[in-house]
Amino acid sequence: KQEVTQIPAALSVPEGENLVLNCSFTDSAIYNLQWFRQDPGKGLTSLLLIQSSQREQTSGRLNASLDKSSGRSTLYIAASQPGDSATYLCAVVYNNNDMRFGAGTRLTVKP
Amino acid sequence: KAGVTQTPRYLIKTRGQQVTLSCSPISGHRSVSWYQQTPGQGLQFLFEYFSETQRNKGNFPGRFSGRQFSNSRSEMNVSTLELGDSALYLCASSGQGAGGELFFGEGSRLTVL
Repeated sequence: KQEVTQIPAALSVPEGENLVLNCSFTDSAIYNLQWFRQDPGKGLTSLLLIQSSQREQTSGRLNASLDKSSGRSTLYIAASQPGDSATYLCAVVYNNNDMRFGAGTRLTVKP
Repeated sequence: KAGVTQTPRYLIKTRGQQVTLSCSPISGHRSVSWYQQTPGQGLQFLFEYFSETQRNKGNFPGRFSGRQFSNSRSEMNVSTLELGDSALYLCASSGQGAGGELFFGEGSRLTVL
């Protein structure tokens, strides 16, 4: 079964701290992996998209890595800010076109 | 460039009724996909349309259906509503078809009483 797991479910850090969110998947036959943020009651905002042939993608303070062999992706957020508080979800598109979302990590950055 | 627009944003229905939700994709995007988000099940894929054809479908009962028009706008319909259909329904568009970067709308929050 193609499952996507995100750990931890919730994370609280002080402002300015660097942090890592984890996403693991059970099937390495992935097409791509995408990280999103979701604010309460809102839709998803795309952060980074990593194709299966790529190892990492960067956008501003965000860096996402992909290791297909170990079934893991990490989202690194540098110098966290209160505005980064949101739920972060990863979504995996598999080669059979199946798409699975993780349950998300709820991040709180305290001023 | 306008984003993905979903209407209505909020609606309340009673059991047994049907509902139709609408999604207008980003201009030029031909792929539209639909998702259901609930606290218990998280985000689940419903179906994807590309150039008016359903290209992929998730594991939902036949009460959930959709269609896409020639201008790429899409609608999803849920018939014979059940309490468990209460959810945030999200639509996303992509300019690259299957596996492309997804851009989401704000969602339609459906409450079934």
